[in-house]
Amino acid sequence: KQEVTQIPAALSVPEGENLVLNCSFTDSAIYNLQWFRQDPGKGLTSLLLIQSSQREQTSGRLNASLDKSSGRSTLYIAASQPGDSATYLCAVPSGTYKYIFGTGTRLKVLA
Amino acid sequence: DADVTQTPRNRITKTGKRIMLECSQTKGHDRMYWYRQDPGLGLRLIYYSFDVKDINKGEISDGYSVSRQAQAKFSLSLESAIPNQTALYFCATSDPGSYGYTFGSGTRLTVV
Repeated sequence: KQEVTQIPAALSVPEGENLVLNCSFTDSAIYNLQWFRQDPGKGLTSLLLIQSSQREQTSGRLNASLDKSSGRSTLYIAASQPGDSATYLCAVPSGTYKYIFGTGTRLKVLA
Repeated sequence: DADVTQTPRNRITKTGKRIMLECSQTKGHDRMYWYRQDPGLGLRLIYYSFDVKDINKGEISDGYSVSRQAQAKFSLSLESAIPNQTALYFCATSDPGSYGYTFGSGTRLTVV
């Protein structure tokens, strides 16, 4: 059974710092991995989707990497800003119809 | 307009009442999902539908039912609401080609 773990559960950093969020999964037979952002009381916004054939995906200040063999993905945020404060979730497919979500990392960027 | 719209945004209901949460989408996706989110438990799948005639149970379907009225509409019903169904409910659609998910803004349901 696929399990997804995100560490740390919460993170507080000063503005401008580069940071890394971690996601690990138990079954490496995945065909993609997604990172989402969730603002308080709101829905999830897809940030990056990495296909299994890719090792990295970049969007602006965000860079996600995927290492299937070790069951890990990281989300790198460069030059963090207060507007980056949110909960970040990773998700991996389970079968062909659903995703398994981690419980998220709650990020607070201090001005 | 949002790609995936959920109504209501917030709802307080009493134990034993039947309640319906509605979802509509303009993405043109065939696949639609209902998830619930609880603190510390992440998102859990309630029901999913791959087209109007295809409805499937997720991991926590007990106490819930769904209706796919059209490609664009997918409703979730709580037959007889109970307090442990208090949660944030999300509707989502996906594109089978890219696997990208689009979520609605959620419905915060409180059962008292």
